Amino acid sequence: TQLLEQSPQFLSIQEGENLTVYCNSSSVFSSLQWYRQEPGEGPVLLVTVVTGGEVKKLKRLTFQFGDARKDSSLHITAAQPGDTGLYLCAGASTNAGKSTFGDGTTLTVKP
Amino acid sequence: DARVTQTPRHKVTEMGQEVTMRCQPILGHNTVFWYRQTMMQGLELLAYFRNRAPLDDSGMPKDRFSAEMPDATLATLKIQPSEPRDSAVYFCASGLSGADTQYFGPGTRLTVL
Repeated sequence: TQLLEQSPQFLSIQEGENLTVYCNSSSVFSSLQWYRQEPGEGPVLLVTVVTGGEVKKLKRLTFQFGDARKDSSLHITAAQPGDTGLYLCAGASTNAGKSTFGDGTTLTVKP
Repeated sequence: DARVTQTPRHKVTEMGQEVTMRCQPILGHNTVFWYRQTMMQGLELLAYFRNRAPLDDSGMPKDRFSAEMPDATLATLKIQPSEPRDSAVYFCASGLSGADTQYFGPGTRLTVL
C-alpha cells in the first residue's frame, strides 16, 4: 500500500511569513499533484510535477519534486490570508489508474 | 467553463434511510472517482470507473454502498441503509485515463442522524 505523509498537519502563521510543507513517501511515483481545498469546496489542482528534481513556480508558490520521486515540498513566500486552506498532495503511479492522497496540511494565514 | 457537478449539495437523513448521490463528470472525461472525506480519515477513495466500467471498489463497504454509471454523463453512489458513521462529505472527481489530474466536484455533505 502506498502512503503519503504530509507535515505539518496544521500550520498557523502571520501574513507576510514564509512557509514550507512536505509530502513524503517510501514509494516512487510517476507524478505528484498538489491540490488546495477551501471550506465547502472540492480540491483544486495547483500543479503536477513529473520529473525527479523538478521545480515549478506558481506566483508565490514553489513546488519541488524529490530526485528519487518519493517526496515533494511546497514553499509559499510572503503568505497571504487568501492562501488559507487545506493543501493535499497526491501521488500517481504508472498504470495504477488512481492516485494516493496524503492527509493534508491545514494552513491558516492571519491578517 | 467545464465543471464536475454533484447533487444534492447537502443531505440530512435518518438512520436506515436510502441515500443517493449523483455526479455529472466533465464532458469527455472517461474516468470517475468517488471519495469520502472526514476529519478523522481524510480523503478516502471509495470506487472508480473507467469508460463506465468499475475498476476498483475495494474502499467501499460492500454491504451497504453501491456505485454505478448508468451512462457516461451520470455516476451514482447509493447507501442503503444509511448509518450515522456514514456522515461525511462525498466527492466525485473526473479525469482522463493516462492523465493524473483529477477535477473535483463541490461535494455532497451527508448527515445521518
